[in-house]
Amino acid sequence: ETGVTQTPRHLVMGMTNKKSLKCEQHLGHNAMYWYKQSAKKPLELMFVYSLEERVENNSVPSRFSPECPNSSHLFLHLHTLQPEDSALYLCASSQEPGGGENTGELFFGEGSRLTVL
Amino acid sequence: GDSVTQMEGPVTLSEEAFLTINCTYTATGYPSLFWYVQYPGEGLQLLLKATKADDKGSNKGFEATYRKETTSFHLEKGSVQVSDSAVYFCALSDQMNSGYSTLTFGKGTMLLVSP
Repeated sequence: ETGVTQTPRHLVMGMTNKKSLKCEQHLGHNAMYWYKQSAKKPLELMFVYSLEERVENNSVPSRFSPECPNSSHLFLHLHTLQPEDSALYLCASSQEPGGGENTGELFFGEGSRLTVL
Repeated sequence: GDSVTQMEGPVTLSEEAFLTINCTYTATGYPSLFWYVQYPGEGLQLLLKATKADDKGSNKGFEATYRKETTSFHLEKGSVQVSDSAVYFCALSDQMNSGYSTLTFGKGTMLLVSP
């Protein structure tokens, strides 16, 4: 139990569907992240929210739309996805600024496994 | 930009064997270094970390020493167990940004331990 909960754990969707991934953190952190994990590729940072404001968007296609309504919740809204978007989507949180013993440490959820048909 | 290179897997060992997974990095400044582990069907968990040169991180019998002169952070364990089978990720933290952490990950190394 890492304190970061992701739902659903598995999702299968067609290319014309609209779905959302949800992440909730119970750690009192003030920054939240979406990462994409594809086979044989390094983890890709997609979005970062710090104090509920989006601070980074790494050239992610507009078919992925994040939302952070408060410091504990993060969503990833999905629409008109492509088969190559099939991957494990990981949510993470951290307490910032870090410094000292907390420097750079992220706490990850178990991920949402997405399959696009 | 920052990058992390770790050895290709899978690494296959028998129980109680010695483990080394190599990791080297390139970065500007003085990053913090991490090893994360991902067990089957789960997310990433922090295994150990080191925040400055010559620091040694350790946890669950695993160790890694921050070597600035060789830009390395190799992961070692003296005697692996079947339960250590997982994917191990080396990562560094970019300290250039304020307000959030930018982690650069290696591609991961799968470890398979047989009884």
